[in-house]
Amino acid sequence: DQQVKQNSPSLSVQEGRISILNCDYTNSMFDYFLWYKKYPAEGPTFLISISSIKDKNEDGRFTVFLNKSAKHLSLHIVPSQPGDSAVYFCAASSGSNYQLIWGAGTKLIIKP
Amino acid sequence: DSGVTQTPKHLITATGQRVTLRCSPRSGDLSVYWYQQSLDQGLQFLIQYYNGEERAKGNILERFSAQQFPDLHSELNLSSLELGDSALYFCASSDSGTSGTTQYFGPGTRLLVL
Repeated sequence: DQQVKQNSPSLSVQEGRISILNCDYTNSMFDYFLWYKKYPAEGPTFLISISSIKDKNEDGRFTVFLNKSAKHLSLHIVPSQPGDSAVYFCAASSGSNYQLIWGAGTKLIIKP
Repeated sequence: DSGVTQTPKHLITATGQRVTLRCSPRSGDLSVYWYQQSLDQGLQFLIQYYNGEERAKGNILERFSAQQFPDLHSELNLSSLELGDSALYFCASSDSGTSGTTQYFGPGTRLLVL
């Protein structure tokens, strides 16, 4: 049972435009959500997180939106840059479970 | 640089063998997590240690074991290796063992079982 789903295996966006990556979850007990970026053969790099008490968190070009009623979160990258090309993972955890539950990842390709 | 170090970076071994992967967490972090990533799939949580004690267990095979030492570094032991164990193994650390903390990842160890 996939508790965290990233339904788009890949996404192609023009440089300078907005990239929107989506993530859905099924477990209503999740209370903390994170986005990580991963280059091939490297460890995931933490990007941004959001607690379930908020519906938006912003850090520079990155904004995460959380819609608890829809059990959906999204990561917006504005403007998209060539260095943003990577695989993006969303992950979630709950107060009763210490481990992060990961989505399968979305490969973002920024076209020049 | 996340501050988490892993050794070795690459490891090639044969089926049936045993290997040990090592992880040093970020300075001050008490929690260490181990993950496996096979063939560009998502990360699979294996096990977590907090201040020397096992805190949570995920999809870790009985052939695999881990421990966290008093200096907080951790080792993941993989034994009776099979071809399917070939994967990237990542270690992450966080400052606490509770939900709501960010995990920071090391560069990984790429294991190839021939």
